[in-house]
Amino acid sequence: ILNVEQSPQSLHVQEGDSTNFTCSFPSSNFYALHWYRWETAKSPEALFVMTLNGDEKKKGRISATLNTKEGYSYLYIKGSQPEDSATYLCAFSGGYNKLIFGAGTRLAVHP
Amino acid sequence: GAGVSQTPSNKVTEKGKYVELRCDPISGHTALYWYRQSLGQGPEFLIYFQGTGAADDSGLPNDRFFAVRPEGSVSTLKIQRTERGDSAVYLCASSPGPNEKLFFGSGTQLSVL
Repeated sequence: ILNVEQSPQSLHVQEGDSTNFTCSFPSSNFYALHWYRWETAKSPEALFVMTLNGDEKKKGRISATLNTKEGYSYLYIKGSQPEDSATYLCAFSGGYNKLIFGAGTRLAVHP
Repeated sequence: GAGVSQTPSNKVTEKGKYVELRCDPISGHTALYWYRQSLGQGPEFLIYFQGTGAADDSGLPNDRFFAVRPEGSVSTLKIQRTERGDSAVYLCASSPGPNEKLFFGSGTQLSVL
């Protein structure tokens, strides 16, 4: 059974804090690792799709790294803002067209 | 352009009833996925269509669940004899092709009383 774990489950930070969370996934049969942001009452939105070991991607204040050999990815948010409050989901792909999602990290950024 | 559209946004039904959930993907997207999210969990894969055919239906929990995509565009997820355990958010997503990032709809919240 493929298992994708995310930690922490939830996180409360103050505006301006930098934060990071972890996604652990199987290190075998790796094809891609996806990150999505899901704001309340909206649709999940893709942040990154990462395929290469050592890959680093950046979108504004958000960045992600990937280690496929040990099976983990980190998502970093620099200078958190209240609009960053959302659930951040990672998903593992073994290349068979279905994503296995973690349970998500719920981030709350307080003004 | 329009994103992925799901209707209805909310559906309340009684145990034992039949329900249909509709997904209208982004025009031109050949891949379409259904996921289900229960409280406190991540989205759980149900079925994947490439064009009109169900390429992978391994996530459908049992034979009460069925999905179609007859013309390779709109898809309908059908649930027969609903049970309280079917209550969840049903998410649809499409992508330009297999193994690309997903574009999600806003989901259908199904409540079975």
